[in-house]
Amino acid sequence: DQQVKQNSPSLSVQEGRISILNCDYTNSMFDYFLWYKKYPAEGPTFLISISSIKDKNEDGRFTVFLNKSAKHLSLHIVPSQPGDSAVYFCAAGGDNTDKLIFGTGTRLQVFP
Amino acid sequence: GAVVSQHPSRVICKSGTSVKIECRSLDFQATTMFWYRQFPKQSLMLMATSNEGSKATYEQGVEKDKFLINHASLTLSTLTVTSAHPEDSSFYICSARQGQGAQETQYFGPGTRLLVL
Repeated sequence: DQQVKQNSPSLSVQEGRISILNCDYTNSMFDYFLWYKKYPAEGPTFLISISSIKDKNEDGRFTVFLNKSAKHLSLHIVPSQPGDSAVYFCAAGGDNTDKLIFGTGTRLQVFP
Repeated sequence: GAVVSQHPSRVICKSGTSVKIECRSLDFQATTMFWYRQFPKQSLMLMATSNEGSKATYEQGVEKDKFLINHASLTLSTLTVTSAHPEDSSFYICSARQGQGAQETQYFGPGTRLLVL
């Protein structure tokens, strides 16, 4: 049972435009969410997180939106840059679990 | 952000030998570390949760006698792949947890590429 889902395996965006990466979850007990970025043959890098008491968190070009009623979160990258090309994982956690549950990842490609 | 290191970054070994991978949190103490495995073009698969001073908790389907985990200190966890076989070839990544609850973040190591011949 995949509790955290990233239904788009890949996304292609032109440089300068907005990239929107989506993530859905099924467990209403999750109360915080994180986004990670991963280059090939490297470990994931933490990008941004959001607590369930918020609906938006912004850090530079990265903004995460959380819609609890829809059990949906999204990561917006604007403007997108070629260096953003990587695999992005969303992850969820809660007080009832000591581990993060990761989605399957979305491969973002930003082209010139 | 916090730094987590892994050693070695790459290792090639013969089938039947054992390989030890170290995971260190360099600038914070981590009572909990995690070991993941990633197959090509697939997501991260959590193998086990490593708790300092206690036994590791393994995910379903992961052989604890095959993948030995030791969390000897607040900054070091080791994963030993015993009697390695070619199917154990993979990319192994550790992470260290900092904070709790909504303040939690996991910081990942750079990964270790294991090739078993």
